[in-house]
Amino acid sequence: QVTLKESGPVLVKPTETLTLTCTVSGLSLSNAKMGVSWIRQPPGKALEWLAHIFPNDEKSYSTSLKSRLTISMDTSKSQVVLTMTNLDPVDTAAYFCARIPYDDGRGYHTHFDSWGQGTLVTVSS
Amino acid sequence: SYVLTQPPSVSVAPGQTARISCGGDKIGSKSVHWYRQKPGQAPVLVVYDDSDRPSGIPARFSGSNSGNTATLTISRVEAGDEADYYCQVWDTSSDLLYVFGTGTTVTVL
Repeated sequence: QVTLKESGPVLVKPTETLTLTCTVSGLSLSNAKMGVSWIRQPPGKALEWLAHIFPNDEKSYSTSLKSRLTISMDTSKSQVVLTMTNLDPVDTAAYFCARIPYDDGRGYHTHFDSWGQGTLVTVSS
Repeated sequence: SYVLTQPPSVSVAPGQTARISCGGDKIGSKSVHWYRQKPGQAPVLVVYDDSDRPSGIPARFSGSNSGNTATLTISRVEAGDEADYYCQVWDTSSDLLYVFGTGTTVTVL
């Protein structure tokens, strides 16, 4: 059974860069067919997709945040890293990583079947 | 960008049926997925591809999708179903590949 766990700073100052790590366990990213997305949720608000990455290094980003985001995958560590630059208080949110499943019949799905517990990031001076 | 609209809240008595709508332009042509999120927890997938259920999700949860509205139906509602529910689609024409709905809070009376 795959599990995902986010880690990163709890408090970040405005204009700083945020680096979040999603560690995948229960299988190895080096030989598993699965995508990983980052999704965030400001307090009391809806979910917002940020970025995804697949083992072939295919990446996509939210258009509105693309200039500030970088996603990468380290298969040897089974980790997916998201960096976000130039943080602002509006970026205060719970950040989740989630799995995009794959099956041989249809390829990658378009939903998220496993989620990390999330990590709350506060942007404040 | 593609917009998914959900009612802010739905109230239902225990044992009754809750229906949560998700409106979007020609949403019937897309695959719709539903998540349940309890306070302080991560979302959990309850329905995918309009009407399929992941293992471990009871048959009380069902979905449908046609025209401009998708619906999540929770039959025989229990107190433990009280949560926020989000619909989600994949839309390549949007600035967000994965679009989430505005969310619906289900309250069990």
